[in-house]
Amino acid sequence: DAGVTQSPTHLIKTRGQQVTLRCSPKSGHDTVSWYQQALGQGPQFIFQYYEEEERQRGNFPDRFSGHQFPNYSSELNVNALLLGDSALYLCASSLSGTDEKLFFGSGTQLSVL
Amino acid sequence: AQSVTQLGSHVSVSEGALVLLRCNYSSSVPPYLFWYVQYPNQGLQLLLKYTSAATLVKGINGFEAEFKKSETSFHLTKPSAHMSDAAEYFCAVSESKVLGTYKYIFGTGTRLKVLA
Repeated sequence: DAGVTQSPTHLIKTRGQQVTLRCSPKSGHDTVSWYQQALGQGPQFIFQYYEEEERQRGNFPDRFSGHQFPNYSSELNVNALLLGDSALYLCASSLSGTDEKLFFGSGTQLSVL
Repeated sequence: AQSVTQLGSHVSVSEGALVLLRCNYSSSVPPYLFWYVQYPNQGLQLLLKYTSAATLVKGINGFEAEFKKSETSFHLTKPSAHMSDAAEYFCAVSESKVLGTYKYIFGTGTRLKVLA
């Protein structure tokens, strides 16, 4: 049973560029959440997708956007990258209507130069 | 808004000694509380969760945590530390703002070092 998979594992971009990160949820899960983990910090909630719609959003600017596909996989897009966007981006999946226990992927390490 | 405070960003214990990692939360309603562990270059793995069924929660790898409402605490303990326990530990509280949805509020983490 595959867990949560994320791609790519590492990414280097320059300021002003755009980036797309991808996530496949754990088999049987229908909800995907994205978190940003800056160095030395705890993960910060970006947004959550269910039934291909954004259900909840954290305190992140509109440069951060996402999408969920019919197969429940998800993408995180970040436009106009800033140096401060450098972080580990974690995807977590869960099954709606349950205790919402989150299963995390290994993350994508994004470096903005 | 709910929040989580983890006291001590770094904790060192000797192998075989008691592990105690502290977590305090603020919540206006009975919370769901979690402890996660993160090994280097990996995602977060759930150690245990509290959902009001029992105040003492047992998790994986010999860890347990006790929910104390009067102290708004959810400290993580393990009787005897093992070298493999060296990792970063995060306490989190679940916040529901939209019916049926949850987002986690994480603490800043505690890095556990185990000394031989």
